[in-house]
Amino acid sequence: DIQMTQSPSSLSASVGDRVTITCRASQGISNYLAWFQQKPGKAPKSLIYAASSLQSGVPSKFSGSGSGTDFTLTISSLQPEDFATYYCQQYYSYPLTFGPGTKVHIK
Amino acid sequence: QVQLQESGPGLVKPSETLSLTCTVSGGSIRSYYWSWIRQPPGKGLEWIGFIYYSGSTNYNPSLKSRVSISLDTSKNQFSLKLSSMTAADTAVYYCARGVAQDYWGQGALVTVSS
Repeated sequence: DIQMTQSPSSLSASVGDRVTITCRASQGISNYLAWFQQKPGKAPKSLIYAASSLQSGVPSKFSGSGSGTDFTLTISSLQPEDFATYYCQQYYSYPLTFGPGTKVHIK
Repeated sequence: QVQLQESGPGLVKPSETLSLTCTVSGGSIRSYYWSWIRQPPGKGLEWIGFIYYSGSTNYNPSLKSRVSISLDTSKNQFSLKLSSMTAADTAVYYCARGVAQDYWGQGALVTVSS
């Protein structure tokens, strides 16, 4: 199985901050990576697929980059509605696997 | 707009089989992969498996001996069966579209308890 790790596991940030979350795969996955946002009590929401492609309707403050084993999700200017947990997921090989999540707190 | 909705019992007894259905609206099930994912309370996401519209399936090896996913194109639904349920299977179960899960259902909390 491909193991996905994320760093940090949690972070505190202020409104307006630029935030970067890192995701690493235990082996190369090309660009077969997705990012999700999950708020408490809600289903995950797809933000990015193919490492850097924005899902329809997702604001452009979210961006993704990377290929191979190292990937990043960046939120350019954090807003109150962005405080949530973020997960990465590889879909390069089976079983599909998720990272453990990064919780973004209000500072 | 594609929408997915899980349905099924919220409480299952130990050793019994869980049956959940996902109804797809706003689009045809006759394309894409259709996935099941679960999330134990307070924990992360675990992929259970998916079915392709052709009927081919792929399951997480950790659950493979207990899981079955099927498709009913006439009802635009796909279903999950998970046998020999234990307390460790207590989770919110989500259905989703595709291997990159672009659309998700709202989730169904399933508790395993006698």
